[in-house]
Amino acid sequence: GAVVSQHPSWVICKSGTSVKIECRSLDFQATTMFWYRQFPKQSLMLMATSNEGSKATYEQGVEKDKFLINHASLTLSTLTVTSAHPEDSSFYICSAPRGGLADTQYFGPGTRLTVL
Amino acid sequence: AQSVTQLDSQVPVFEEAPVELRCNYSSSVSVYLFWYVQYPNQGLQLLLKYLSGSTLVKGINGFEAEFNKSQTSFHLRKPSVHISDTAEYFCAVSGIDKLIFGTGTLLAVQP
Repeated sequence: GAVVSQHPSWVICKSGTSVKIECRSLDFQATTMFWYRQFPKQSLMLMATSNEGSKATYEQGVEKDKFLINHASLTLSTLTVTSAHPEDSSFYICSAPRGGLADTQYFGPGTRLTVL
Repeated sequence: AQSVTQLDSQVPVFEEAPVELRCNYSSSVSVYLFWYVQYPNQGLQLLLKYLSGSTLVKGINGFEAEFNKSQTSFHLRKPSVHISDTAEYFCAVSGIDKLIFGTGTLLAVQP
């Protein structure tokens, strides 16, 4: 089956620093990738849709200047949390649909971000 | 607009007992429906999906779900659960351009 990887799997950083998370589709090309945020014991909240070759589409209430998304190639999307603060600590998950948007999405294993 | 409701936040069940996790959706158009499972500190894994055709869908790990259009439901079932099935289960419906998730149900299997 399709595989999506994320790196790093966990990261701890100091308040005020920036953190980059990578999402890769390993055996298929993805013109679109999705970034989710998940708080403990809660559901996934879609943050933004990453589009290869164009700007990301952010959900309402998500600060585009804080969560920078770059879809550099058909297999790589990155999420950069800029000037991270403790409230940004969360589990970040990416996904990529293989085929059309209505088709199955394959999820990465997630990245645990802890901001001290 | 589409939405998904998972009424049960937690379902405790004894090992080898049957289980049903409920999911209801609302949509004004045809939908695709999914069940995902999430083990602690991991991403989501697809259990099964309904795109079209037979309303009874079989997935991995012995799970199945039935699409009921009249009741707008897509309940997940397993006839006999194992300790290893303990996880968070998410129902999702595909919108025009994204997946919409329910709030999740924690399946807690007890020995």
